[in-house]
Amino acid sequence: DTGVSQDPRHKITKRGQNVTFRCDPISEHNRLYWYRQTLGQGPEFLTYFQNEAQLEKSRLLSDRFSAERPKGSFSTLEIQRTEQGDSAMYLCASSLISGGQYNEQFFGPGTRLTVL
Amino acid sequence: GQQVMQIPQYQHVQEGEDFTTYCNSSTTLSNIQWYKQRPGGHPVFLIQLVKSGEVKKQKRLTFQFGEAKKNSSLHITATQTTDVGTYFCARGATDSWGKLQFGAGTQVVVTP
Repeated sequence: DTGVSQDPRHKITKRGQNVTFRCDPISEHNRLYWYRQTLGQGPEFLTYFQNEAQLEKSRLLSDRFSAERPKGSFSTLEIQRTEQGDSAMYLCASSLISGGQYNEQFFGPGTRLTVL
Repeated sequence: GQQVMQIPQYQHVQEGEDFTTYCNSSTTLSNIQWYKQRPGGHPVFLIQLVKSGEVKKQKRLTFQFGEAKKNSSLHITATQTTDVGTYFCARGATDSWGKLQFGAGTQVVVTP
C-alpha cells in the first residue's frame, strides 16, 4: 500500500500526558498537512510542511502542539499536557505541489485520540 | 472570514432520487475542492474546480462552480446506497496557497 499511513490508529491517554503521532506520506509528495477533525465537522487545518520546512501553523493552535518533519519524509505531531478538549481525529494528508497551483490532498486513515 | 458554508447539513435521500448540496462563500474563491468521507473513513478527493462557471461530471455526480466564484454545488442523480457519506467542500486559502479550509459537510443518508 503506497498511500498515506498513520500510527497509531487509536490512542487513549490520561489528561496531562504527552502523546506523539506519526505520519508517513506518499513518498514523492513534498507537502504534508496535519488536520484535526471532531464529530460533525470538517477537517480543521493545524499545520503544513513543504519538504522539511514548516511553512504555517494555525493561530488557533495551542503551543502545546508541535510538529516536525526532520528529513522531509515522515512527520510527527506531539501534544504535550493533553486536555480533554484535545480528543479528536488527527488526520495527516500529503500532496505534490508544483507550479504554484492547488492539487488534491491524499488523506491517511487518521489517529483517533481520546483523553480521559 | 474565509469560511465556506455548506447546506444542507444533513440530507436524507430515497434510493433513486436526485439531490443537490451547496457550498457558499462570502468572498471570491480561487478554487474549490470536493471530498467524500465514508462513515468511519477518511476524506477522499473527488474534484477540483477553478474556472468561473465550470461544470464537471463524474458519472452520476455533477459539480458546478458559480459564475461569481462564490459558490459551488454537487448534484447527484439516481442516488445509490454507495453514495452514503459526508461530502465536504474545501476552499484554497488566499493567504497561503496549498492550505485548504473545509466546510462542515453535508451528511447523506440513503434509504433503500
